[in-house]
Amino acid sequence: KQEVTQIPAALSVPEGENLVLNCSFTDSAIYNLQWFRQDPGKGLTSLLLIQSSQREQTSGRLNASLDKSSGRSTLYIAASQPGDSATYLCAVALQGAQKLVFGQGTRLTINP
Amino acid sequence: NAGVTQTPKFQVLKTGQSMTLQCAQDMNHEYMSWYRQDPGMGLRLIHYSVGAGITDQGEVPNGYNVSRSTTEDFPLRLLSAAPSQTSVYFCASRPLGSFYEQYFGPGTRLTVT
Repeated sequence: KQEVTQIPAALSVPEGENLVLNCSFTDSAIYNLQWFRQDPGKGLTSLLLIQSSQREQTSGRLNASLDKSSGRSTLYIAASQPGDSATYLCAVALQGAQKLVFGQGTRLTINP
Repeated sequence: NAGVTQTPKFQVLKTGQSMTLQCAQDMNHEYMSWYRQDPGMGLRLIHYSVGAGITDQGEVPNGYNVSRSTTEDFPLRLLSAAPSQTSVYFCASRPLGSFYEQYFGPGTRLTVT
């Protein structure tokens, strides 16, 4: 059974710092991996999607990497801003299935 | 486009009551799904559908029923609510062949007393 873990559960950093969020998964037979953002009381917004054949994806200040063999992904946020404060979730899509398995999320707070 | 809409936003039920959470999308997406989100546990898949008339179980289907009579609507039914079903419920939709265009609704916060 695929399990997705995100560490830490919460992170607080001062504005302007570069930071890394971690995601690990137990079964490397994935179709893709996605990072989502969730603001309090809201739904999820997709940030980045990495296909299983790719190593990384970039969007603005965000860079996500994927190492399938070790079962790890990282989300790098450069020059953090207070507006980046949110919960970040990673999810893997299983090969041959129409399902996403989510991690527990990392609650990020950027302090002005 | 309204995207994915969910009603109601909040609901309080007593144990044993039934109710239907509504989900609708106007993007003609074949794939729709329901998740529940509990503190510290991320989102867990309840049921999903790959098209009208086709539904399947996810990770935590017990206590929930679904049907898909149209492309647009995917209601989630709780037949006899239990306190363990207190959670935030999210509906999502996407084209069948693409994870890129995935949209989530704003959620329904359900409390069962």
